[in-house]
Formats: sequence, C-alpha cells, structure tokens
Amino acid sequence: GDSVTQMEGPVTLSEEAFLTINCTYTATGYPSLFWYVQYPGEGLQLLLKATKADDKGSNKGFEATYRKETTSFHLEKGSVQVSDSAVYFCALKENDDMRFGAGTRLTVKP
Amino acid sequence: SQTIHQWPATLVQPVGSPLSLECTVEGTSNPNLYWYRQAAGRGLQLLFYSVGIGQISSEVPQNLSASRPQDRQFILSSKKLLLSDSGFYLCALSQGLGETQYFGPGTRLLVL
Repeated sequence: GDSVTQMEGPVTLSEEAFLTINCTYTATGYPSLFWYVQYPGEGLQLLLKATKADDKGSNKGFEATYRKETTSFHLEKGSVQVSDSAVYFCALKENDDMRFGAGTRLTVKP
Repeated sequence: SQTIHQWPATLVQPVGSPLSLECTVEGTSNPNLYWYRQAAGRGLQLLFYSVGIGQISSEVPQNLSASRPQDRQFILSSKKLLLSDSGFYLCALSQGLGETQYFGPGTRLLVL
C-alpha cells in the first residue's frame, strides 16, 4: 500500500541555517503530497501542498517540489528561525486515503 | 471559513473509566471527518473516518469506537480506557475525496 518515509529526527540547527527534511513516498497512483507542521501542544497545520508532478508548494519561506522521478517531496527553507521549531509531517493523499510520515522534530537554536 | 473544535483540550482519566471526546465543525456541510491518534514520539495513526451521519469506518482493531450523530459532530468513545490509549487525539475534516485534510487543535489524553 501507499506509504511515506521521512528522515528521522531530531534535527537541531542554528538560526539562519539551511533546512532540508527528506521525504519519499510509495504510491500506486498519483497522490497529492503535503507537509504539515505541529507546534508544541497544538494540532497539525497545513504548511504546503502539491497536487501533481513538478508542482512546487511554498509557504512562510518553506518550499517543496513534487518529484515523480525520485518519488520525493523534500522540505527546504533557506534560513530557519527559532519560531520554526516544531514537528514536521510529510503526508500523501490518494483518493480519501491519507498516509503520514512519522514526523521530524526540528529545534532551532538562537 | 471552516473551523474545527475539540474538547476537552486535556483530559486525565483512570484506567477502566469511560471516555467521550467530541469534535464539532463549523462553516462547512457534509464533510468527511477523521479521528487520528498521535502516541508520544510516534506519528499519526488513523483510527476512524466518516463520510456521513451514522457512517463509520474503522482502520484498526482497538478499544475505541466512534459515532457521528449529526453532520458536524464526531465523537470518539471508549467503555474502558487502557493505559495504551494515552495520546494526542486529533479530529480532521475534508470536503470530499482527494481534498486536503484540516486538523483541529487536539485533545491530550493521559490514562493513569
């Protein structure tokens, strides 16, 4: 069945460092891909999404490109801030079946 | 715009006690509704989803049950809680197949 694999955390970076969180997926069809962010003690918020190959989702300085050839949707940000500290979940959705990765905890230190 | 409410925000319950968590949504009609559990240090696990009133699908065998008595209300229940039921419970909605899921604020449950 469909599944999502994302890099294990925790990831600790200094402020203004470059961030990459890897995400790869397996799917039988053509899923939509998502990144969700969970701040401490809160629910999940949609960060960005892409619905077809080569689409780039972007929001709040984060971006991810839907790469069908490598079945990947890596999350990147050029300069992280302390306020970006959170858990990030990669997810795919095919029809109404949603699969999440295990989450990657990011801590940004000043 | 659509809004998802969950209560309570935090709950501490003894083992063997009953449970009722409520999720209500506003600003939408006939949504698909979902219950997820996030155990400490782990990812999200889909527990139940509902495509309409009285329609519940269960993803995993477990100690919990769900009901949808109204279009915008989704309830998660248990007759007797287990220690392993501790976790963060998230309600989510989507508008039909293939649509983005949006999450509520969550309920943190601690079973002692």
